[in-house]
Amino acid sequence: AQSVTQLDSQVPVFEEAPVELRCNYSSSVSVYLFWYVQYPNQGLQLLLKYLSGSTLVESINGFEAEFNKSQTSFHLRKPSVHISDTAEYFCAVRKYTGRRALTFGSGTRLQVQP
Amino acid sequence: GAGVSQSPRYKVAKRGQDVALRCDPISGHVSLFWYQQALGQGPEFLTYFQNEAQLDKSGLPSDRFFAERPEGSVSTLKIQRTQQEDSAVYLCASSPLAGGGADTQYFGPGTRLTVL
Repeated sequence: AQSVTQLDSQVPVFEEAPVELRCNYSSSVSVYLFWYVQYPNQGLQLLLKYLSGSTLVESINGFEAEFNKSQTSFHLRKPSVHISDTAEYFCAVRKYTGRRALTFGSGTRLQVQP
Repeated sequence: GAGVSQSPRYKVAKRGQDVALRCDPISGHVSLFWYQQALGQGPEFLTYFQNEAQLDKSGLPSDRFFAERPEGSVSTLKIQRTQQEDSAVYLCASSPLAGGGADTQYFGPGTRLTVL
């Protein structure tokens, strides 16, 4: 079975400051890694995903995440946040083969303050 | 194009009532998933369809939960004799392919169920 741990339930940060949202996972098999974002009153949207190849993946709105196999981590970072980045962020994993469901962490609420 | 839609967006039920939640996936998507998201938690898997076949229902919490997708498109999640612990947001997701874990899942806005 897989599990995902997001240690920080809330992360307050000032606008234009850098931010890191932590994600660690546990799995006995190889997995794909995802970050989803949920804006207020909206559905989950895929932010970025790691499938293979370069361990650093980027989104179109300036977020990036780095897959670290030895530390089983997939932390999400942004060098300068905006008010509009305020949302709930979920890390998720999925097995390469077999069960196709996503396993999510409990989420991190990013609160960007002016 | 249109995304995944769900109806109703909000549902209030009295304990013991039956409810039916609808999901309209993106047209042509083969795979459909249902998740349950309790307050303050991440979504948890309930069940998975590939076309009309329910290939995985390991996440359904009890036999009061039932899902169907009879024509391989629209899906309905039914909860019988609702209990207070069923209160949650029910999310539907679809993906275009049938195989491969790299397939992106596209989520609907969810149905918030409150059981009084």
